[in-house]
Amino acid sequence: DSGVTQTPKHLITATGQRVTLRCSPRSGDLSVYWYQQSLDQGLQFLIQYYNGEERAKGNILERFSAQQFPDLHSELNLSSLELGDSALYFCASSLGTSGSLITGELFFGEGSRLTVL
Amino acid sequence: KDQVFQPSTVASSEGAVVEIFCNHSVSNAYNFFWYLHFPGCAPRLLVKGSKPSQQGRYNMTYERFSSSLLILQVREADAAVYYCAVCEGNTPLVFGKGTRLSVIA
Repeated sequence: DSGVTQTPKHLITATGQRVTLRCSPRSGDLSVYWYQQSLDQGLQFLIQYYNGEERAKGNILERFSAQQFPDLHSELNLSSLELGDSALYFCASSLGTSGSLITGELFFGEGSRLTVL
Repeated sequence: KDQVFQPSTVASSEGAVVEIFCNHSVSNAYNFFWYLHFPGCAPRLLVKGSKPSQQGRYNMTYERFSSSLLILQVREADAAVYYCAVCEGNTPLVFGKGTRLSVIA
């Protein structure tokens, strides 16, 4: 058990809809990351928050947004969903920044599988 | 654009040593991270570093722009997806597309 909790585990919705994915990081971790895993695309970095503030942005669409709350949990909001948004969305957390061998180890949740029909 | 490259599949016989190669084009990345992912589970870190290292049956080789993960005495239960990742400074990890390992009994 990594200590990172993601909900929901599975979600099926229709095109044009909006969904929210939730992540609770490991206790004490300040950084939260969101990754998207699509078929044959590996883990694509979307966005990172550190102690409530956006720290880094990757290949995140404008239709997607995220935030980290004072209790450090994070939410990823996906709107105007398209078929191509169907993927496994992972949340990960780390104590510090990812570059550090000491504090940068990423602990992943089990993912939220989104299916857009 | 692809920055971390690894083979999409690798096959091995049980009991052998399997090598999964990774190389990257991230100019200021010095640390490699190898993750293991069983479908339905959370990816987890196997080994990391900026020098050769070992964690149990997992060995990591290190060159400036490449690394190999060696799994000793591979078992059927090792069949999974292995991800290589690097990071540039304090930026988030950049992952390869993953290597699916199949093990033949």
